[in-house]
Amino acid sequence: AQSVTQPDIHITVSEGASLELRCNYSYGATPYLFWYVQSPGQGLQLLLKYFSGDTLVQGIKGFEAEFKRSQSSFNLRKPSVHWSDAAEYFCAVGGGSNYKLTFGKGTLLTVNP
Amino acid sequence: DADVTQTPRNRITKTGKRIMLECSQTKGHDRMYWYRQDPGLGLRLIYYSFDVKDINKGEISDGYSVSRQAQAKFSLSLESAIPNQTALYFCATSDGTRYEQYFGPGTRLTVT
Repeated sequence: AQSVTQPDIHITVSEGASLELRCNYSYGATPYLFWYVQSPGQGLQLLLKYFSGDTLVQGIKGFEAEFKRSQSSFNLRKPSVHWSDAAEYFCAVGGGSNYKLTFGKGTLLTVNP
Repeated sequence: DADVTQTPRNRITKTGKRIMLECSQTKGHDRMYWYRQDPGLGLRLIYYSFDVKDINKGEISDGYSVSRQAQAKFSLSLESAIPNQTALYFCATSDGTRYEQYFGPGTRLTVT
């Protein structure tokens, strides 16, 4: 069975600081990996995805993520956080013929001025 | 206009009432999904549908039913609502070749 662990429930950073959100997955084959962001009162928006190829993927809003197969990780990074990045972030894994995604429990990001 | 719409956006209902949440999409996607979100639990899959004739249970389908009225419409029903069904409900869609899903804005349901 596939699963996702986001070890950090809540992270607080200062505006302008760098950010790394952790995601570890469990999947028996090559995974398809995603990061979504949910702003307050909004639905989930796709930030970036990894299917194959280059293990460093770029997304929207200046985010990037690196797939590390040896560590079963897909961590999300941003070099300089803006106040508007305050939101909840979800990592998800999928694969196989059922086209289902399994989501982590989310990491809430607070940005201090 | 939004590609995935959900109605209503907010609903308060009483225990035992039947309620239907509706989802429509203009993305032309075949696959549609219903999730619920609870604080600290992330998103959990309730039901999913790959086409009008193909409906499948997710991990938490008890107490819920669905109807796929057309390719673009997928409704979630609570036959007899209970307080622990209070949650944020999301509809999502994906096409037949990709895994990424596109979400609606959500319906906040409160059962009193």
